[in-house]
Amino acid sequence: KNQVEQSPQSLIILEGKNCTLQCNYTVSPFSNLRWYKQDTGRGPVSLTIMTFSENTKSNGRYTATLDADTKQSSLHITASQLSDSASYICVVSGQAGTALIFGKGTTLSVSS
Amino acid sequence: GAVVSQHPSWVICKSGTSVKIECRSLDFQATTMFWYRQFPKQSLMLMATSNEGSKATYEQGVEKDKFLINHASLTLSTLTVTSAHPEDSSFYICSATDLRGRTGELFFGEGSRLTVL
Repeated sequence: KNQVEQSPQSLIILEGKNCTLQCNYTVSPFSNLRWYKQDTGRGPVSLTIMTFSENTKSNGRYTATLDADTKQSSLHITASQLSDSASYICVVSGQAGTALIFGKGTTLSVSS
Repeated sequence: GAVVSQHPSWVICKSGTSVKIECRSLDFQATTMFWYRQFPKQSLMLMATSNEGSKATYEQGVEKDKFLINHASLTLSTLTVTSAHPEDSSFYICSATDLRGRTGELFFGEGSRLTVL
């Protein structure tokens, strides 16, 4: 069964600290993996999209990694800011034209 | 980047009435659109997947006769909540993608908040 599991479910960190969110998947065959940020009451916004051949991709203070062999991805946030408080959603896609599988998200709270 | 527009962004209606939410892809053709529901402090819940020109595929537990989805063109999908009740109050979000590409990007709308009185 195609599944995407995210951990932790929620996380609280101090402003300025780094953190890493995890995404494990069992989707096969695999096409790409996406990370989205969703602010409360808003639609999700794309952070990164990675294909099978990509190991790491950065978007500002956000760096995503992908290990297609172990079917694991992580999203590392550096020097967190209060505005990073949001839900982070991992979405995995099979071959083009097939369904997208959503993780349940990690809720990050950055406090001062 | 590509934009997906939802309308209305906020709607209040009386119990028993029907509400239509539109989802438009503004600068690309969306072969597939997804509709989600999100309750406060919970994750996105996929309701249905709609492909242009065909019937939507609903997730288990989602009533297709209550949540009518139409995807008549490559730029527009609509979700109609029929005979809405207070328990239907939620945040409804759509996303759109062009699955003809190998790595079709997925773009989300800003969401529509429905409050049923």
